Amino acid sequence: GAVVSQHPSRVICKSGTSVKIECRSLDFQATTMFWYRQFPKQSLMLMATSNEGSKATYEQGVEKDKFLINHASLTLSTLTVTSAHPEDSSFYICSARVRGGAGEQFFGPGTRLTVL
Amino acid sequence: KQEVTQIPAALSVPEGENLVLNCSFTDSAIYNLQWFRQDPGKGLTSLLLIQSSQREQTSGRLNASLDKSSGRSTLYIAASQPGDSATYLCAVLDYGGATNKLIFGTGTLLAVQP
Repeated sequence: GAVVSQHPSRVICKSGTSVKIECRSLDFQATTMFWYRQFPKQSLMLMATSNEGSKATYEQGVEKDKFLINHASLTLSTLTVTSAHPEDSSFYICSARVRGGAGEQFFGPGTRLTVL
Repeated sequence: KQEVTQIPAALSVPEGENLVLNCSFTDSAIYNLQWFRQDPGKGLTSLLLIQSSQREQTSGRLNASLDKSSGRSTLYIAASQPGDSATYLCAVLDYGGATNKLIFGTGTLLAVQP
């Protein structure tokens, strides 16, 4: 149980295009999902917290107009990187908190974004 | 501001050896602490979660302890195997509810030599 999926696992795009990444909780309901980015050999940095049915809360320094987050249901959150640039290339990981659980987060397999 | 540090940054041991990974955090007001494993280019796998009221959790060859007052946690791996090679991350969930954010440590890269 407690499986989180991400799609796509890997994407390569041209500079200036937009990329959408999906995060799904497969066998549980998640009122809260989180989006992280990870640069090579570094730890995870929280980008934003996504609550179902409400606006996402962004961490300081993260542009909300560039990283659009939608949490339309209890099992799906999407991150759209708009007008991507090479510096946006990174590993993006989502996680989901079990509804009514003990605060444990379960993580997706990650999405490798490369912007040419 | 909560800060989480892991020592050592990298560790190489021969197969079969027992080992300890360390995690320290600056603010003891935490809700829980989690240990994760991350393989290269992959997401995170949750290993153990310790609630703030608990002192340890065990799963198979893994044992995690928590000393909240001193801001420390350890992950003990018994009889290490080459398949244990990965980066191990600890993370604390700040208590208070306002942020509900996991704060990650810097990670320990473990290599178990066959």
